[in-house]
Amino acid sequence: EPEVTQTPSHQVTQMGQEVILRCVPISNHLYFYWYRQILGQKVEFLVSFYNNEISEKSEIFDDQFSVERPDGSNFTLKIRSTKLEDSAMYFCASRTVTSTDTQYFGPGTRLTVL
Amino acid sequence: RKEVEQDPGPFNVPEGATVAFNCTYSNSASQSFFWYRQDCRKEPKLLMSVYSSGNEDGRFTAQLNRASQYISLLIRDSKLSDSATYLCVVGGSGNTGKLIFGQGTTLQVKP
Repeated sequence: EPEVTQTPSHQVTQMGQEVILRCVPISNHLYFYWYRQILGQKVEFLVSFYNNEISEKSEIFDDQFSVERPDGSNFTLKIRSTKLEDSAMYFCASRTVTSTDTQYFGPGTRLTVL
Repeated sequence: RKEVEQDPGPFNVPEGATVAFNCTYSNSASQSFFWYRQDCRKEPKLLMSVYSSGNEDGRFTAQLNRASQYISLLIRDSKLSDSATYLCVVGGSGNTGKLIFGQGTTLQVKP
């Protein structure tokens, strides 16, 4: 069964450093998402991406965040200058065409900012 | 008002019990509704979509009441393996497909 993959599984970084989280969505999917979950809190939407551009972003997704699909398979989330409060689990998700279709989530990257 | 609201629990039930979870959502324009399951420190996994007519998948039954903006999940004959956090999830009203998650309800099934 096809699945969304994410690397690394755990990233530790110093405050102020840049990090890039990587995702490989399911190959025939067209919509891509990033969500985050701070420990003990709910899953929160960050950004959606379609046709090589951001289609929607949340208030959390400020100028420190960017997304990119650099090739036909990868989908990345970059945090330019990490803060302590960016420590969270980051999930990538993808789906096919219809907005009510199932989103499939990757296993997540645990980001720890020291 | 929270966009998606759930009782966080925990619900502690014996094996074989029937347990029900409820959820309310604030945006009446929402078009899609789901229950996801999340195990500790893992990704959310779709349990079932929820339709206005109600739907059943084995031991799991989901109901949607659009007038009351209320979603429910019923689990019959609980198994130890059902222990997890159950996330009520609502699709945003736009067509980007973003998902809005509730806090989750924790279920612990005991032998």
